[in-house]
Amino acid sequence: EVQLVQSGAEVKKPGESLKISCKGSRDSFTSYWIGWVRQMPGKGLEWMGVIYPGDSHTKYSPSVQGHVTISADKSTSTAYLQWSSLKASDTAMYYCANSDSSSSAWFDPWGQGTLVTVSS
Amino acid sequence: QSVLTQPPSASGTPGQRVTISCSGSSSNIGNNYVYWYQQLPGTAPKLLIYRDNQRPSGVPDRFSGSKSGTSASLAISGLRSEDEADYYCAAWDDSLSGVVFGGGTKLTVL
Repeated sequence: EVQLVQSGAEVKKPGESLKISCKGSRDSFTSYWIGWVRQMPGKGLEWMGVIYPGDSHTKYSPSVQGHVTISADKSTSTAYLQWSSLKASDTAMYYCANSDSSSSAWFDPWGQGTLVTVSS
Repeated sequence: QSVLTQPPSASGTPGQRVTISCSGSSSNIGNNYVYWYQQLPGTAPKLLIYRDNQRPSGVPDRFSGSKSGTSASLAISGLRSEDEADYYCAAWDDSLSGVVFGGGTKLTVL
């Protein structure tokens, strides 16, 4: 059974950097795309982008491009979402999920989520 | 303002049938598959319907999806208290080159 396990909750200050992770199953990690989805407090789901761990090809939502970086490490079956300078508006729950292509809304399964709080 | 439009809330009594609508355009629902996700309180979303009307294994057949033109619907029959959750529709948008979600519908079982 494919599982995605995300890193724990983070509390950061504005301007700080952060890298959160999403660890998949070794045998299937390079068979799927990994997508990242943001959910701000009390709000809906928002697609951020996807990466294909096999060759690290990425696609970003225009709303986050330039503000976040999506990466992956095949050797550890781990995908990452990182910020170089956090803003208070980055406070949200972040989910990773397997996807079947770079242009699909199919996400299954999902990680348990990583809560990021950015506050001075 | 979400690209896909869902009613913010829906409700029903146990045993009833409820439907949740999702309205889009030719660049998303009209030309691509629709997916539905269920998010129970405090948990990660779960895939409920894929490719317009297909159920993943383990999803009860009480849940069904349909699509016509630029609109889609999720139907839940034999409503149960454990169905109380937020439901989201999603699709790829060719114009935006990205995945778009509906704003979500909070289902209350009275």
